[in-house]
Amino acid sequence: AQKVTQAQTEISVVEKEDVTLDCVYETRDTTYYLFWYKQPPSGELVFLIRRNSFDEQNEISGRYSWNFQKSTSSFNFTITASQVVDSAVYFCALRGFSGGYNKLIFGAGTRLAVHP
Amino acid sequence: DAGVIQSPRHEVTEMGQEVTLRCKPISGHDYLFWYRQTMMRGLELLIYFNNNVPIDDSGMPEDRFSAKMPNASFSTLKIQPSEPRDSAVYFCASSLSSSSGNTIYFGEGSWLTVV
Repeated sequence: AQKVTQAQTEISVVEKEDVTLDCVYETRDTTYYLFWYKQPPSGELVFLIRRNSFDEQNEISGRYSWNFQKSTSSFNFTITASQVVDSAVYFCALRGFSGGYNKLIFGAGTRLAVHP
Repeated sequence: DAGVIQSPRHEVTEMGQEVTLRCKPISGHDYLFWYRQTMMRGLELLIYFNNNVPIDDSGMPEDRFSAKMPNASFSTLKIQPSEPRDSAVYFCASSLSSSSGNTIYFGEGSWLTVV
């Protein structure tokens, strides 16, 4: 079975604080992809990053960074110097391929509120 | 390039009426997904197609729901008859099956309210 757990339901921070969103996944696949999506108040789902299971290098994109650790089955997302525009629901997701299995399974999401 | 296009963006309908949601995937993508988002159940996969063929419809809640993909550039999700519990945001998404293009891109969603 495949599963994504985002234990943090809601996080509230003050602008300029750093914040880390946790994601833990379960899969038996040896090849899989992990994703983060952002859902702002307007409702659309915005793709942020994709990471495949063979690439454990951390990635940084501006104020965003991602830490992928296969040993702990985690794919955490850090926002540095948060801004009000970062307020959104963030979803971690997993896509595996064993036996033709090709679904994107989402975590429950973490609602981030950044206050001025 | 145009993203995934969904219509209508918003629909309010009365219980018992038929609802048809439409989706145009990104050109060239061979996977198409229908997701539903509710407060109670989060984002759940309803059905997905590969090369216009339904592959897994195990997420379709009941016989009132049906989905079709008559060609590579169009899909519909139909609810007949609709019920208040069907109120949700329905997302269509598409992706390319090649290993270098496994990102799934979502449309803006169709916000359905059944009263």
